[in-house]
Amino acid sequence: DAKTTQPPSMDCAEGRAANLPCNHSTISGNEYVYWYRQIHSQGPQYIIHGLKNNETNEMASLIITEDRKSSTLILPHATLRDTAVYYCIVRVKTSGSRLTFGEGTQLTVNP
Amino acid sequence: EPEVTQTPSHQVTQMGQEVILRCVPISNHLYFYWYRQILGQKVEFLVSFYNNEISEKSEIFDDQFSVERPDGSNFTLKIRSTKLEDSAMYFCASRDSGGAGNEQFFGPGTRLTVL
Repeated sequence: DAKTTQPPSMDCAEGRAANLPCNHSTISGNEYVYWYRQIHSQGPQYIIHGLKNNETNEMASLIITEDRKSSTLILPHATLRDTAVYYCIVRVKTSGSRLTFGEGTQLTVNP
Repeated sequence: EPEVTQTPSHQVTQMGQEVILRCVPISNHLYFYWYRQILGQKVEFLVSFYNNEISEKSEIFDDQFSVERPDGSNFTLKIRSTKLEDSAMYFCASRDSGGAGNEQFFGPGTRLTVL
């Protein structure tokens, strides 16, 4: 799996968009970008994934650069409950494979 | 919405004792996982299980660990002789047979404390 780099921490005001960056310059053509989050000691929660097109679901949007070397997870209207550690994981989309979690970004949403 | 459940939420045991952590994955899922997270550290993969056998395991998953799917619903992690360093949160996860991607759904975890 390709290595990812994320800032260790970020702050965001409640109601504003939270933009979480991830660098994955060694990503290969068959690797997807996955985002998970972990709210204080709870189990990690899947957010979104993508290959090269931008993706949106009810939780977030994922913007992947054209060269696929970086991506941004966008929470359009952050709430206090979005305070969590966000993990960017790059991996091949094969069945059964492990998830390798890095340090992630601690996002703190402030009132 | 279906979810992964785990019991107990907190287990306290003495060093050297055996513990069994239980998980009920989402009912139509076919792939099952255990991860652990030592306090203040990263989430670490332990083992994956598919078609009634281990499909992948990490270097952490040594002979002290075993997994089992004793019936059609439960998935268990057994630690035969617990050590102090086994104290951690243990997360069970499951996913379906394919389709959209590698979304794994995690349970709330069991906090294991070894004294």
